[in-house]
Amino acid sequence: RKEVEQDPGPFNVPEGATVAFNCTYSNSASQSFFWYRQDCRKEPKLLMSVYSSGNEDGRFTAQLNRASQYISLLIRDSKLSDSATYLCVVSSYNNNDMRFGAGTRLTVKP
Amino acid sequence: NAGVTQTPKFQVLKTGQSMTLQCAQDMNHEYMSWYRQDPGMGLRLIHYSVGAGITDQGEVPNGYNVSRSTTEDFPLRLLSAAPSQTSVYFCASSYPRVGGTEAFFGQGTRLTVV
Repeated sequence: RKEVEQDPGPFNVPEGATVAFNCTYSNSASQSFFWYRQDCRKEPKLLMSVYSSGNEDGRFTAQLNRASQYISLLIRDSKLSDSATYLCVVSSYNNNDMRFGAGTRLTVKP
Repeated sequence: NAGVTQTPKFQVLKTGQSMTLQCAQDMNHEYMSWYRQDPGMGLRLIHYSVGAGITDQGEVPNGYNVSRSTTEDFPLRLLSAAPSQTSVYFCASSYPRVGGTEAFFGQGTRLTVV
C-alpha cells in the first residue's frame, strides 16, 4: 500500500464547477500536510498547507481528518488556470521526509 | 531571485555512464533533498540532507550518491546509469520548523538512459 493515496483522476470539469480531491495517508505519525500544484512539465509549487481546523484560501478549501487519516481539497468556481496536477503531501514535523501522492490531474474546460 | 537552480535541464546517458546532477539554492535553507518523479508514482525521495556534512537515504537511494559540503550545494551522482533511472529529477530545499514549511523545487532534470 502506498503511504499517500489520491483519487486517480483525471477530473474534467467545466468552468465554474466545484471539484473535490481526496487523499489518504497511512503513517499515523505524520504531522504536516500540504497540497502542491504541478503544471505540465514544471516543478511542484506549494498551493496551501492543511491544518487540523481546516483552512481556506480564496476559492480553495483544505480539510484534515486525523482520525480517518484523510485530507481533502475543494476548489470552487473553477477557472481554466486551475488546470494542473494536484499533489497531496504529508511529512514528519521537520519536513525532511515529505511523502507525495501520485497526483490528481484536473482539466477545466470552457 | 534564483531560488533553487538545477543543471542540466535535459540529459541522455548511455547505460553504465556516470554523471552528476547539480543543485544549488541561495535561500540559506538547511534542508535539501532529491526526488525522482515517474508516471503514476508521484515524487519519491532519493536522498536528503539536514545540513552541511550530513546526508541520509530516502525511499529509493540505490544507484545514487550525494554529498553536502556547503549549505548551498547538493549534487546527486549517478554511479553507473541504468535504464531504470530514466526519470525526472527534482531538487528541493526548505527551512525546517515545527509544523513543516514550504519546500522550493528546482525546475527539474529530465534524464534518459539508453
